[in-house]
Amino acid sequence: DTEVTQTPKHLVMGMTNKKSLKCEQHMGHRAMYWYKQKAKKPPELMFVYSYEKLSINESVPSRFSPECPNSSLLNLHLHALQPEDSALYLCASSQGLAAGPLVEQYFGPGTRLTVT
Amino acid sequence: AQKVTQAQTEISVVEKEDVTLDCVYETRDTTYYLFWYKQPPSGELVFLIRRNSFDEQNEISGRYSWNFQKSTSSFNFTITASQVVDSAVYFCALSEASSNTGKLIFGQGTTLQVKP
Repeated sequence: DTEVTQTPKHLVMGMTNKKSLKCEQHMGHRAMYWYKQKAKKPPELMFVYSYEKLSINESVPSRFSPECPNSSLLNLHLHALQPEDSALYLCASSQGLAAGPLVEQYFGPGTRLTVT
Repeated sequence: AQKVTQAQTEISVVEKEDVTLDCVYETRDTTYYLFWYKQPPSGELVFLIRRNSFDEQNEISGRYSWNFQKSTSSFNFTITASQVVDSAVYFCALSEASSNTGKLIFGQGTTLQVKP
């Protein structure tokens, strides 16, 4: 089962709202990722968690706050977003980074976020 | 610097035609990994193939085949007898072992439209 689930599928929020995106995988993967994808562009890496610790933050503004409560869950907390943050937010997971060769990432269906 | 170039922005073919999607990469690492992902209109990136830099064997999976040539830094993807369901955006991606982060460097993507 190579499934990564994301909720919600769609989200509309105002610039003063606080919301969270959720991602879950049950493949025993130890690395999880958040990507942002604008229309007609490739995904851009935002954060990487490895063994539940933040491994990479690609200079993402603090209005995006990731959280990894356990090895299966990844959240992205959103606060005071701007209209330009409207995008498809993709979660992905892969086997651990540290041991063995680099492996493929499996992506969820994404959350389509609109900031008004 | 690492880079992935997909020179074809959009390709349109008629069903049953063969089509090749080009991917050219740049890296200074001797150990790296190349990937192809498919993104249908639903949004989810679907993993298609991973190839490491030491394995130049070409691969065939059903109607899909991949041609990896280190001499030209290319990793091209051919769909034989294309079908309407192949319509999607296809991304080629590179991951360098030296980064040990699992970070994927994506090309800009090629939009494939298969007409009935």
